Amino acid sequence: AQTVTQSQPEMSVQEAETVTLSCTYDTSESDYYLFWYKQPPSRQMILVIRQEAYKQQNATENRFSVNFQKAAKSFSLKISDSQLGDAAMYFCAYRLKTGANSKLTFGKGITLSVRP
Amino acid sequence: EPEVTQTPSHQVTQMGQEVILRCVPISNHLYFYWYRQILGQKVEFLVSFYNNEISEKSEIFDDQFSVERPDGSNFTLKIRSTKLEDSAMYFCASSAYRQGGYQETQYFGPGTRLLVL
Repeated sequence: AQTVTQSQPEMSVQEAETVTLSCTYDTSESDYYLFWYKQPPSRQMILVIRQEAYKQQNATENRFSVNFQKAAKSFSLKISDSQLGDAAMYFCAYRLKTGANSKLTFGKGITLSVRP
Repeated sequence: EPEVTQTPSHQVTQMGQEVILRCVPISNHLYFYWYRQILGQKVEFLVSFYNNEISEKSEIFDDQFSVERPDGSNFTLKIRSTKLEDSAMYFCASSAYRQGGYQETQYFGPGTRLLVL
């Protein structure tokens, strides 16, 4: 079974600084997706960024980028130029690419606070 | 931009009552999901649905739960006899179909906060 581990329950960053959120996962599969979702206090789940396992290039979305290390099964999220609106819970998630077994498996999440 | 919608946003019910949570997935999506999040815990998969059938369900999704796509737009989750431990945020999600059977990113609705008293 696939597992996703987020070992840091909380992190804090100064506004305009850079922060990295860690995630590791365990799978025996070779083709899958990894995601970071943001959950603000409203508790809506918002997609931040997606990475396909067979792509060596790290995904980027504006101020958000990932460091995907497939061999190490590591998938960290870097937030540059942190803004107050980035304060939220961040979940790392895994999904097989194909087949009926297409559910998302989430980590426990990390609470990010942004200091003004 | 199209989005997944869910109703109601909040639901309070008595233990033992039936509740139906409603979702309208993004219109061209074919794969539908329900997840739940107990307060302070991680998001957990409940069930996936495709072509009017359950594709996969978790151990949480027991006989008290059912899903249905009663028409071309709605996707519902029914809990027949609610328990205190069913109190949670319930998220609906949908994803598109792509050639080759690949599924795209799952897009989540805003959630329904269910409180069982």
